[in-house]
Amino acid sequence: KQEVTQIPAALSVPEGENLVLNCSFTDSAIYNLQWFRQDPGKGLTSLLLIQSSQREQTSGRLNASLDKSSGRSTLYIAASQPGDSATYLCAVISETSYDKVIFGPGTSLSVIP
Amino acid sequence: NAGVTQTPKFQVLKTGQSMTLQCAQDMNHEYMSWYRQDPGMGLRLIHYSVGAGITDQGEVPNGYNVSRSTTEDFPLRLLSAAPSQTSVYFCASRPLAGGSYEQYFGPGTRLTVT
Repeated sequence: KQEVTQIPAALSVPEGENLVLNCSFTDSAIYNLQWFRQDPGKGLTSLLLIQSSQREQTSGRLNASLDKSSGRSTLYIAASQPGDSATYLCAVISETSYDKVIFGPGTSLSVIP
Repeated sequence: NAGVTQTPKFQVLKTGQSMTLQCAQDMNHEYMSWYRQDPGMGLRLIHYSVGAGITDQGEVPNGYNVSRSTTEDFPLRLLSAAPSQTSVYFCASRPLAGGSYEQYFGPGTRLTVT
């Protein structure tokens, strides 16, 4: 059974710092891994999608990497801003159960001005 | 292109009442799903559908009913509301062909059962 964990659960950094959020999954047979952002009281916004054949994806100040063999993905945020404060969730679709998306519990990020 | 839409945004029910949460998408996605999100529990899958006329249970289906008569719509019915169903409900959709399977979420419905 696929399980997804995220470390740390919460993170507080001063503005301008580069930071890394971690996502781990137990079954390496995945179709893709998707990173989302959720602001308080809002829905989920897709940030980056990495397909199983890819190693990384970039969008602006965000870079996500995927290492299937070790069951890990990292989300790198460069030059953090207060507007980056939100909860970040990762989610995977497994090859053995493509009809279900498994979410991690999220990392709550606070960027202090 | 509206993406995934949900109505209502907020709802208060009394125990025992029934209601339907609406979800619609205009991206012609085959796959649609309902999640609930509770503090400390993360996102949990309630029901999902891989196409019109096909539905299946997720992790926490009890107390909920779904149907999929069209590709666009996937309503979630609460048969007899209970306080344990107080939660934020999200609808999501994604394609099943094309390989990326990128998932799109609606804005959510915040439900309180008293």
